[in-house]
Amino acid sequence: GNSVTQMEGPVTLSEEAFLTINCTYTATGYPSLFWYVQYPGEGLQLLLKATKADDKGSNKGFEATYRKETTSFHLEKGSVQVSDSAVYFCALSGTGYALNFGKGTSLLVTP
Amino acid sequence: GAVVSQHPSRVICKSGTSVKIECRSLDFQATTMFWYRQFPKQSLMLMATSNEGSKATYEQGVEKDKFLINHASLTLSTLTVTSAHPEDSSFYICSANLLTRHNEQFFGPGTRLTVL
Repeated sequence: GNSVTQMEGPVTLSEEAFLTINCTYTATGYPSLFWYVQYPGEGLQLLLKATKADDKGSNKGFEATYRKETTSFHLEKGSVQVSDSAVYFCALSGTGYALNFGKGTSLLVTP
Repeated sequence: GAVVSQHPSRVICKSGTSVKIECRSLDFQATTMFWYRQFPKQSLMLMATSNEGSKATYEQGVEKDKFLINHASLTLSTLTVTSAHPEDSSFYICSANLLTRHNEQFFGPGTRLTVL
């Protein structure tokens, strides 16, 4: 079946540091890949997505590239801000649009 | 736009009672909604897919008689936890599909259920 593995947190970075959160997946067929973000006290929000191999999703300075050869969708940001502190979830959807989530990675950015 | 609400946000109940959680799409119609469960420091686990006007599709291992799902309108799905037990304590999250946004899912803020 489909599954997502993402790096364990928490991740603590200083402001303006480079961020990478690793995500790999197992899936049959050609899934779509997503990163969701959950800010404290709020619901999940879509951060970015990619629907086919080699697509790059980007939003708010975050980027992730759909790598079919390595079955990965790593999240990156060149310079994090305190406001980026949140929990980040990697997810995939196959047929039917239901999502399979990774366990989430908590990010804390300190001033 | 594309806001999903859940009610209540937090509920505490006694063991053996039933609890109903509502999920509403406030500014769009959703033929499909999903119910997830999240344990502390764990991922969201899909419980069931709720289709308007038809029976929900449950994931393997989810008891359909315990977690009753009703999707009576295009803007409302309900999850009823029947005869709740302490092990049902969890964070329940719903999402709704927006067809006009390529089936992007929009999530509710979640409901924290505590069963005493």
